[in-house]
Amino acid sequence: ILNVEQSPQSLHVQEGDSTNFTCSFPSSNFYALHWYRWETAKSPEALFVMTLNGDEKKKGRISATLNTKEGYSYLYIKGSQPEDSATYLCAALFYNQGGKLIFGQGTELSVKP
Amino acid sequence: DGGITQSPKYLFRKEGQNVTLSCEQNLNHDAMYWYRQDPGQGLRLIYYSQIVNDFQKGDIAEGYSVSREKKESFPLTVTSAQKNPTAFYLCASSTFYGYTFGSGTRLTVV
Repeated sequence: ILNVEQSPQSLHVQEGDSTNFTCSFPSSNFYALHWYRWETAKSPEALFVMTLNGDEKKKGRISATLNTKEGYSYLYIKGSQPEDSATYLCAALFYNQGGKLIFGQGTELSVKP
Repeated sequence: DGGITQSPKYLFRKEGQNVTLSCEQNLNHDAMYWYRQDPGQGLRLIYYSQIVNDFQKGDIAEGYSVSREKKESFPLTVTSAQKNPTAFYLCASSTFYGYTFGSGTRLTVV
């Protein structure tokens, strides 16, 4: 059974703090890593798709890195704002899983003004 | 605008009843998926379909059934055999570049 693990499970920060979360996955047969942002009462929204070791992606104040050899990805948010409050999901795609994403349990971020 | 439409948003089911959750997409995606979310848990795959008239069981398929007669539609039936159906259900479709999700259906057994 393939497990994708996210930590921490929840995070409470003050507006302006920078924060980061971790996604761990098995490195064997790894193909791609996805990050999604999921606000309450909305659909999850795709942030990044990364495939190559050492990949770095950036969207505004949010960035992500990927280490496929050791099986982890970091998501960083610089200068958190209340509108960043959401659950951040990572999901991994493996060669032998028929195109199915395996999701982590998510990190719930709460940013206080 | 292209997207995925799930209906209804909220659904109440009596014990012993079958209910069907609708998922429609106009993105021309081949692959579609059904996930279930329970409090404190990640998304768990129920069923998926890579092509019309074909679908595969996911990790928690027992008590559920699906059909894929059209590319645009992937309805999920929660049968009376599903022991604990109260949950949030999310439908998705995909390309390599990522998944597009619906807004979900919250099912409650009363």
